[in-house]
Amino acid sequence: IAGITQAPTSQILAAGRRMTLRCTQDMRHNAMYWYRQDLGLGLRLIHYSNTAGTTGKGEVPDGYSVSRANTDDFPLTLASAVPSQTSVYFCASRETGLDNEQFFGPGTRLTVL
Amino acid sequence: DAKTTQPPSMDCAEGRAANLPCNHSTISGNEYVYWYRQIHSQGPQYIIHGLKNNETNEMASLIITEDRKSSTLILPHATLRDTAVYYCIVRSKLKTSYDKVIFGPGTSLSVIP
Repeated sequence: IAGITQAPTSQILAAGRRMTLRCTQDMRHNAMYWYRQDLGLGLRLIHYSNTAGTTGKGEVPDGYSVSRANTDDFPLTLASAVPSQTSVYFCASRETGLDNEQFFGPGTRLTVL
Repeated sequence: DAKTTQPPSMDCAEGRAANLPCNHSTISGNEYVYWYRQIHSQGPQYIIHGLKNNETNEMASLIITEDRKSSTLILPHATLRDTAVYYCIVRSKLKTSYDKVIFGPGTSLSVIP
């Protein structure tokens, strides 16, 4: 693994189903993030984690949950998917502290029907 | 975080320098200028950042005006692979907590053969 990986690459999901998007980084970054990108709305932060064991809500957290059991993994769960959660989801990480940019994963394209 | 303004689109001939402008007239003293790009269907990619001095790396150069109210990203020899949306972001480097990295609409750069 090099950098950040996300799985699946794309998914079509029936409304009401539960779905977990996976994110793994091998850079040992403390901070990780989940964004969704929608046309005309840019990237919006869903949840974040400053370090393993802690999480926080971003701009649009409703309908999503996250966990951070270890440094490398930051899964995003949709407990009961709705069509408005159709989007492209990006995971990102960065080392906290000064002078550190974010690194983004390749994204997961999710369609909820 | 300071707001930025970028032209919605630009064209550049392959092999020529691409100069992408960004206005950030409300930038404050501790805010840095960051540039990311997003190639179609991929995650955003960090390019470069700076505070007040011009910066250069293997990807690009960043020229920041003396009053810091605007900047220009320069891709010295644009290739077709540089076709992407380029985002100019201004944010505080001192924030060690989560940062939204607010992406505006960016500039869609088309490199033409």
